[in-house]
Amino acid sequence: SAVISQKPSRDICQRGTSLTIQCQVDSQVTMMFWYRQQPGQSLTLIATANQGSEATYESGFVIDKFPISRPNLTFSTLTVSNMSPEDSSIYLCSVSRDSTDTQYFGPGTRLTVL
Amino acid sequence: GESVGLHLPTLSVQEGDNSIINCAYSNSASDYFIWYKQESGKGPQFIIDIRSNMDKRQGQRVTVLLNKTVKHLSLQIAATQPGDSAVYFCAEHTGRRALTFGSGTRLQVQP
Repeated sequence: SAVISQKPSRDICQRGTSLTIQCQVDSQVTMMFWYRQQPGQSLTLIATANQGSEATYESGFVIDKFPISRPNLTFSTLTVSNMSPEDSSIYLCSVSRDSTDTQYFGPGTRLTVL
Repeated sequence: GESVGLHLPTLSVQEGDNSIINCAYSNSASDYFIWYKQESGKGPQFIIDIRSNMDKRQGQRVTVLLNKTVKHLSLQIAATQPGDSAVYFCAEHTGRRALTFGSGTRLQVQP
């Protein structure tokens, strides 16, 4: 399995500001995904980060709110823009080597918006 | 760390007993299923997976059973230990190369 790190591990932010979360993998992977896990809830897919092209967003998530970068096969960022308290969640990065491979998750970023 | 699964169904078992965690999935076209374990303050950890052409798969102390007729998945943990206490999620792969997660079950192991 891949070793995945996320930065920051947690943050407390003010309403109206933006936070960029980084995801780094120790090996090249084809697929990278971003999930949100609200308190007491399961995981919801935000988007698939595509290397060299725009991310593919799920219903209910838009690029203006959650811009994503994927500059190479080992790194991706998710920005949570113009934050409100409803954005308080755990944000998780996951990776898989190809479309038939298992997804492995990073440790998550715990975001609190005041 | 932040708690996960504050409002999830809870299964409480005695240490040494076997645990069975159930999951109903939604898409009959799903071809791959995964069980994850999530401890408080951590990301989900892969436990075991099964493809839709199988009905049973065994790992170390864990067994996954798949019943496609009723779209049901179960995770059996043998000789449950305190370290097994966590929230367990099933996930289904629908061919779009992303996962749809179930709602999760909290497993509490009583010493």
